[in-house]
Amino acid sequence: DGGITQSPKYLFRKEGQNVTLSCEQNLNHDAMYWYRQDPGQGLRLIYYSQIVNDFQKGDIAEGYSVSREKKESFPLTVTSAQKNPTAFYLCASSITGGGNVLTFGAGSRLTVL
Amino acid sequence: EDQVTQSPEALRLQEGESSSLNCSYTVSGLRGLFWYRQDPGKGPEFLFTLYSAGEEKEKERLKATLTKKESFLHITAPKPEDSATYLCARGIREKLTFGTGTRLTIIP
Repeated sequence: DGGITQSPKYLFRKEGQNVTLSCEQNLNHDAMYWYRQDPGQGLRLIYYSQIVNDFQKGDIAEGYSVSREKKESFPLTVTSAQKNPTAFYLCASSITGGGNVLTFGAGSRLTVL
Repeated sequence: EDQVTQSPEALRLQEGESSSLNCSYTVSGLRGLFWYRQDPGKGPEFLFTLYSAGEEKEKERLKATLTKKESFLHITAPKPEDSATYLCARGIREKLTFGTGTRLTIIP
C-alpha cells in the first residue's frame, strides 16, 4: 500500500544537538511538506518542496533545514539554532502543490531534554 | 494575513446529539477548503474538499458545507468513534493554512 513513512516515531535530543527526521513516500507525489504541531496551535508550515532539488521556506523555517535529492525523500534537520524544538512533526505529500489534498505521515515526536 | 479560525475549541456531545463545527477564513486566492480528522498521536486524515460556495459533501455521519467566508462540518447522530480533533485548512497558492482545530468528544 502507498503511503508516507516517518521515522523515528519518538526521538529525544539533548540541547545543542542536531537531529534529522526521515520522511519517505511511495505515492509518486511531486510535492512534500513539513509541518510542526504544538498544543493549542494549528499546523505550521516549516518547509515545502514542489520538485526535486528545490524547496521553499514556510512560515517558521528558522532553525530548520531540508533537502530534496530524491522525489521519494524529504528529510528535515532540526538544528541547535531552533529555540523551542520540542513538538510533533508531520510530513505530508500531494500530487502537486496548491489546492491539492495532502496525505500525512504518522508523525515524529521530538523531545529536547 | 491569511487566517483560518475554528470554533468551538472543544465540544462534548452525548451519543446521538447532532451539532456543527465552524471554520471561518479570509477570502483571497481561495484554492479549496479542506477538512481533516486527527486522532491523538497520529497524522491528520483527509475527509473533504470544497471549492465553491454552496457545495456540500457527505461521508457517513459527517456533512461539510461551504459559504463565501465559512464552512461547517455537521455531525449527525454521532457515535463515540467520531471523537477526534477536526481540522480545517484553506488552500492558498502552493500550500495549506490550518486552523487550530475543534476537539470533539462523544460521550456514550
